[in-house]
Amino acid sequence: AQSVTQLGSHVSVSEGALVLLRCNYSSSVPPYLFWYVQYPNQGLQLLLKYTSAATLVKGINGFEAEFKKSETSFHLTKPSAHMSDAPEYFCAVSDRVGGANNLFFGTGTRLTVIP
Amino acid sequence: DSGVTQTPKHLITATGQRVTLRCSPRSGDLSVYWYQQSLDQGLQFLIQYYNGEERAKGNILERFSAQQFPDLHSELNLSSLELGDSALYFCASSARGRQGAYNEQFFGPGTRLTVL
Repeated sequence: AQSVTQLGSHVSVSEGALVLLRCNYSSSVPPYLFWYVQYPNQGLQLLLKYTSAATLVKGINGFEAEFKKSETSFHLTKPSAHMSDAPEYFCAVSDRVGGANNLFFGTGTRLTVIP
Repeated sequence: DSGVTQTPKHLITATGQRVTLRCSPRSGDLSVYWYQQSLDQGLQFLIQYYNGEERAKGNILERFSAQQFPDLHSELNLSSLELGDSALYFCASSARGRQGAYNEQFFGPGTRLTVL
């Protein structure tokens, strides 16, 4: 079964500092991995995805993530935090069994950017 | 705007009642997924339909059911509602693709259900 674990339900960083949101996955097959962002009272927006191509994936708004099979990790980073980077972030793994692409989400990490 | 629409945006009802949530996928998308987001359980996959047929089932309660109609819109029916069913319910859609290939899911804005 596929699952992801997000370490830290709340992360605080200073404006301009490095953002690092941690995600570890468990999957019995080569995974598809995703980071989504959710602003208050809104739906989920895809930030970036890993689908077996390059291990370093670049997304929108300066975010990137690196797939590390040896560490079963897919951590999200951004070199410099902005005040607008403070919604909630969800890591997800896709269930690829039978052609399905159902997503299994982590518990989310709420980012606070301190001015 | 993802192209996925959900109605209603908000729904307030009482315990024991039944409600229907509606989802219209992006034009041309054949797959529809339903997810529940609650404080207790987080974001959970409920059920997937592909071109009118049930494709996969997740943590969906027996009191809940869904269907996808010939025009590809989908409805999620929640019955005998309990306080714990209060949550944000998301619908997502994806295009048809090769078996095993990745098909990105596009999420609607959600329906917020409050059970009093």
